[in-house]
Formats: sequence, C-alpha cells, structure tokens
Amino acid sequence: NAGVTQTPKFRVLKTGQSMTLLCAQDMNHEYMYWYRQDPGMGLRLIHYSVGEGTTAKGEVPDGYNVSRLKKQNFLLGLESAAPSQTSVYFCASSYPDRRFYNEQFFGPGTRLTVL
Amino acid sequence: RKEVEQDPGPFNVPEGATVAFNCTYSNSASQSFFWYRQDCRKEPKLLMSVYSSGNEDGRFTAQLNRASQYISLLIRDSKLSDSATYLCVVRDLNAGNNRKLIWGLGTSLAVNP
Repeated sequence: NAGVTQTPKFRVLKTGQSMTLLCAQDMNHEYMYWYRQDPGMGLRLIHYSVGEGTTAKGEVPDGYNVSRLKKQNFLLGLESAAPSQTSVYFCASSYPDRRFYNEQFFGPGTRLTVL
Repeated sequence: RKEVEQDPGPFNVPEGATVAFNCTYSNSASQSFFWYRQDCRKEPKLLMSVYSSGNEDGRFTAQLNRASQYISLLIRDSKLSDSATYLCVVRDLNAGNNRKLIWGLGTSLAVNP
C-alpha cells in the first residue's frame, strides 16, 4: 500500500516549457487535490476533483490544468511555465468531504523550479 | 486580518518541556479545526482534529475557544521527534457553499537535547 505517490520529485524548467505532474493513489479515494506551498503563503489549493472525470478550480488555478481520467490518477499540467510557478506541489486524496471532514492524505511533493 | 494566523516561532524548548501553540481564525462561522504536522521538506500529516469539548491524544491536547476564535495545541513532555512545523487548519464553507480548508503558515518547533 503505497498511499499517495507523486512523480517527479524534482524538476527544473525554463520559462515557457511545459510539463505534467502525476499523482497516483491506491486508497480508492474519491477526492483528489493539488496544492502549492510557498514561503509566507501556506498551502493553497490549485484544482481538485470529486470523482473520475470531474475537476474544479481551487484558490489559485491560473496557469494550470488538470485531468482525472482514472480514479486513482490526478494530473497537473503547466502549459507554459513561469518563474512565479516555482514552488513545492503537493497532491492529496481523501474520502468524500461533504458533511464530515475526511482526512486528506498527502504525497511527498514535487519541487519545481522555473528559471 | 489573515483568515488563519499562527505565531511562526521558532519555539526552542528542551526535551521534557511543555509547549503550547495558539492559532486564531477570522470567520466566526468556521466549522471544523485541525492540527497538521509537517516535518522539514516532507508532506503535511494530520495530527489531530479539534473538538468543541477539547480532546487529548497521548501527550497532545487540542482545545477550541469559539468565543475568542482560537484553537490551541499543547504538547507535554516534548520529545526530539516532536521537532516539526505545526499547521493550523480551518474548514469553512465558501461563497459557493462548498467546504474548503484554510491553512495557517505554521509554527516551527525545535526540541533540543
């Protein structure tokens, strides 16, 4: 049981390049999330998904796209990377968070630098 | 005023000490409260939820004060392994009536031998 995994762990991009971050979970969770964590800003939600085939915008969605083609995978895409997207990206998953909170389980993070 | 505020610290304490962190939140209608722990360069992990009546998990005690809009975390008999950043998290309803988590910036704790 690997929990939540993320690939890659580290990446350096040049401005304007594109890339996809992959998140996978083996806990059969319905909900998945992408966050970014920056010094002095705390964790901020980029996009999330409440089920296979559905995605929604979070707090800071601009410059990112996501897809959830399979329940266990959630992809985060950067079409044209900018230095402002230098950050640590965390993926998380949980059972449905409706009436009662269900713990979010996080992946180990991807450290992205955009030059 | 930030939605969730924490003293960033760092708190430097000797092993065995008792240490307490506070976290204030701005939305009086906030629904649920949590403490997450984040080790250096690692992912956040849920430490404990915070219930209205207060709750304890071993050496950790969490309390909620709705009137003053703050939550607290008390760690007794600190261990070296408690060294981490402690994130305060508040669960709110947003404008679209969807639940969202608001994360504090964290309080850094260093337990020294």
